[in-house]
Amino acid sequence: GENVEQHPSTLSVQEGDSAVIKCTYSDSASNYFPWYKQELGKRPQLIIDIRSNVGEKKDQRIAVTLNKTAKHFSLHITETQPEDSAVYFCAARPDNTDKLIFGTGTRLQVFP
Amino acid sequence: GAVVSQHPSRVICKSGTSVKIECRSLDFQATTMFWYRQFPKQSLMLMATSNEGSKATYEQGVEKDKFLINHASLTLSTLTVTSAHPEDSSFYICSAMATGRGSPDTQYFGPGTRLTVL
Repeated sequence: GENVEQHPSTLSVQEGDSAVIKCTYSDSASNYFPWYKQELGKRPQLIIDIRSNVGEKKDQRIAVTLNKTAKHFSLHITETQPEDSAVYFCAARPDNTDKLIFGTGTRLQVFP
Repeated sequence: GAVVSQHPSRVICKSGTSVKIECRSLDFQATTMFWYRQFPKQSLMLMATSNEGSKATYEQGVEKDKFLINHASLTLSTLTVTSAHPEDSSFYICSAMATGRGSPDTQYFGPGTRLTVL
């Protein structure tokens, strides 16, 4: 079955710097890759997603890139702000299913 | 956006009792809902896929007789933890896919239920 690895597990950056989180997946047939932000004790919230027929997607300060050949995708946050501090999860959806397989999470801390 | 609620938000129970958690899609219909378990500082682990009007599909290693799932309507799925034990203490989160609304791929998450078994 699908397996998703996520790095780094923790990431500390200065406000205004960029943050990059990387994920790799094992099932080459996976076709949908969302990123979720989860604040402590709260529900995960979708921040951006990308489908397998697209290489890059951007939404203001957030961008996601997908390399299907290498089976990895990355989240890029530019001009980070303290309110970006949270745990970020990547996920992959195997083909012919609606379920999501989540990565292990990255705790991002943005220091003022 | 699509709103998913869960009830209760937290529950404390004695070992051996059963606990029911409700997951509702408030402003959309959801033919498919998912149940996850999240231990402290860990990822979301999918437990089962709940399909309206049919039996749930459980992930490997999840006991279907211990975690009973019922999806009786297009807006409600329930998870019952039967004969709960301290090791079942966790954060249980549901998600729902919005039928005919917005992106067909998006899963909207509930706020979670924190279960503590004494």
